[in-house]
Amino acid sequence: NAGVTQTPKFRILKIGQSMTLQCTQDMNHNYMYWYRQDPGMGLKLIYYSVGAGITDKGEVPNGYNVSRSTTEDFPLRLELAAPSQTSVYFCATSRGSNEKLFFGSGTQLSVL
Amino acid sequence: DQQVKQNSPSLSVQEGRISILNCDYTNSMFDYFLWYKKYPAEGPTFLISISSIKDKNEDGRFTVFLNKSAKHLSLHIVPSQPGDSAVYFCAASDMKTSYDKVIFGPGTSLSVIP
Repeated sequence: NAGVTQTPKFRILKIGQSMTLQCTQDMNHNYMYWYRQDPGMGLKLIYYSVGAGITDKGEVPNGYNVSRSTTEDFPLRLELAAPSQTSVYFCATSRGSNEKLFFGSGTQLSVL
Repeated sequence: DQQVKQNSPSLSVQEGRISILNCDYTNSMFDYFLWYKKYPAEGPTFLISISSIKDKNEDGRFTVFLNKSAKHLSLHIVPSQPGDSAVYFCAASDMKTSYDKVIFGPGTSLSVIP
């Protein structure tokens, strides 16, 4: 029972490159989220999904895209990486709205 | 403008003593509060929560107190143990609206000294 699995754990990108951060869960939770954490800041919501086929923007969606074709997977896409996207990214799930979150171990991304 | 504030970036406590972590919020619509704990290189994990209909919630060594009039909550850890050394995030939400309104504070790094 792996919970929430994120890959990769670390990545260095050059400005303008693109990549996909993978997130998969085996908890059968409908709700999934992507957060970013910058040094000295709280986690900020990028995108979330309440079920397969449904996604919506969070607080800081610019520069990112998501898709949710299955309950298990919620990939986050960066199309044109910028230094401002250097951060630690966390995927999370929950059983329902306003319930406690279960987080993956994070992806540390540096854009140089 | 931070809606959830944790004004102490770090805190050091002796093993066996009480740790008190504080959190202030500005949005009076918040009615559900959670604490998460984070170890290095791991994701945050849920610790304890409290609804605004209560002023105290206890789970083992962890107690959260809520003072709605002051828009303040605190997490008490008694007794503190070295394994409690982590970053603690306070989070708040308005359960009457939606899931994208969970707001996290910047965190407090707790060090418990053996």
